[in-house]
Amino acid sequence: DPKIIQKPKYLVAVTGSEKILICEQYLGHNAMYWYRQSAKKPLEFMFSYSYQKLMDNQTASSRFQPQSSKKNHLDLQITALKPDDSATYFCASSQTVNQDTQYFGPGTRLLVL
Amino acid sequence: QEKVQQSPESLIVPEGAMSSLNCTFSNSASQSIWWYQQHPGKGPEALISIFSNGNKKEGRLTVYLNRASLHVSLHIRDSQPSDSAVYLCAVSNYGSSGNKLIFGIGTLLSVKP
Repeated sequence: DPKIIQKPKYLVAVTGSEKILICEQYLGHNAMYWYRQSAKKPLEFMFSYSYQKLMDNQTASSRFQPQSSKKNHLDLQITALKPDDSATYFCASSQTVNQDTQYFGPGTRLLVL
Repeated sequence: QEKVQQSPESLIVPEGAMSSLNCTFSNSASQSIWWYQQHPGKGPEALISIFSNGNKKEGRLTVYLNRASLHVSLHIRDSQPSDSAVYLCAVSNYGSSGNKLIFGIGTLLSVKP
């Protein structure tokens, strides 16, 4: 059974619209993260949460807003979508925000037209 | 900002050979160094990490870390076609705001039967 679920697997959106990417983890972890992987670029850290509290935000834009409704959920809301937002977005989790192993989900591939 | 460089960009080896992948990082104070494996369309999967200078062996994998030269390498003994994937080097950047991984762009390994 998958331990980290990301929904949807694929997402096509129009410029200017808003989308929510869903992430749930069933590893019993207390820390969750979002990373982004764009074509020809390294996997890039976006956010980290610990016990549902924001720890670090490395995104320059307020258009990206994580939402944690439950301890094992960390969704990502993206508003005013731009073609440059096209990427695969990965959710990850670890036992704590210390240097524990980070486990990644399968990703949501977003295409903005 | 920490920078992580990987070489070579791609590597083709015959089945049974040793695969050697390299990674350099920019900050000698960086904490753990991780190697992740990523198959097409999947999320990265942690393989092995190292913190202290020297080497660490797990199964067919051996990783060497030299902090003085800011260099880490991954060696895969008896490479198998199933090892074909992208290998990502990641540096753990741990501080007061928790932990984040800084990734290189990856090395594409192809193991030919």
